[in-house]
Amino acid sequence: KQEVTQIPAALSVPEGENLVLNCSFTDSAIYNLQWFRQDPGKGLTSLLLIQSSQREQTSGRLNASLDKSSGRSTLYIAASQPGDSATYLCAASLVQGAQKLVFGQGTRLTINP
Amino acid sequence: DAGITQSPRYKITETGRQVTLMCHQTWSHSYMFWYRQDLGHGLRLIYYSAAADITDKGEVPDGYVVSRSKTENFPLTLESATRSQTSVYFCASSERGDSPTYEQYFGPGTRLTVT
Repeated sequence: KQEVTQIPAALSVPEGENLVLNCSFTDSAIYNLQWFRQDPGKGLTSLLLIQSSQREQTSGRLNASLDKSSGRSTLYIAASQPGDSATYLCAASLVQGAQKLVFGQGTRLTINP
Repeated sequence: DAGITQSPRYKITETGRQVTLMCHQTWSHSYMFWYRQDLGHGLRLIYYSAAADITDKGEVPDGYVVSRSKTENFPLTLESATRSQTSVYFCASSERGDSPTYEQYFGPGTRLTVT
């Protein structure tokens, strides 16, 4: 059974810093991996999707990497801003044909002005 | 408006009552999903659907029923609500499920409280 873990559960950094969020998964036979952002009381917003054949994806200040052999993905946020404060979730898709996602429990990120 | 919507956004019901949560998407996506989000468990898949009239169980299907008579709608029914079903429910959709390139898009969620 695939398990997805995100450590730490919470992270607080000063504005302007570059930071890395971690996601680990137990089964390396993933189909794809998605990173989401969730603001308090809101739904999930998709940030980046990395296919199993890819090593990384970039969108603006965000860069996500995938290393299947080590069972890890990272989300790099450059020049953090207070508006980046949110909970970040990673989710791994294992089953070809339905994209059933298995979620980590998230990292709650706070950017301090 | 285009996108994925859920109704109601908030619902309080009593133990033993039947309640239906609605999900509607305007993209004509083939795949739709229901998740629940609980403290300590994160998001877990309840049911999913690959197309109209095709549904299948996820990780935590017990106590829930789904149907999909139209591509754009995917209602979730709690046949006899229990306190353990108090949760935030999210609907999601994806253009396709048989390709690793297609993202899932989530609705705003329904906060359900069973008293």
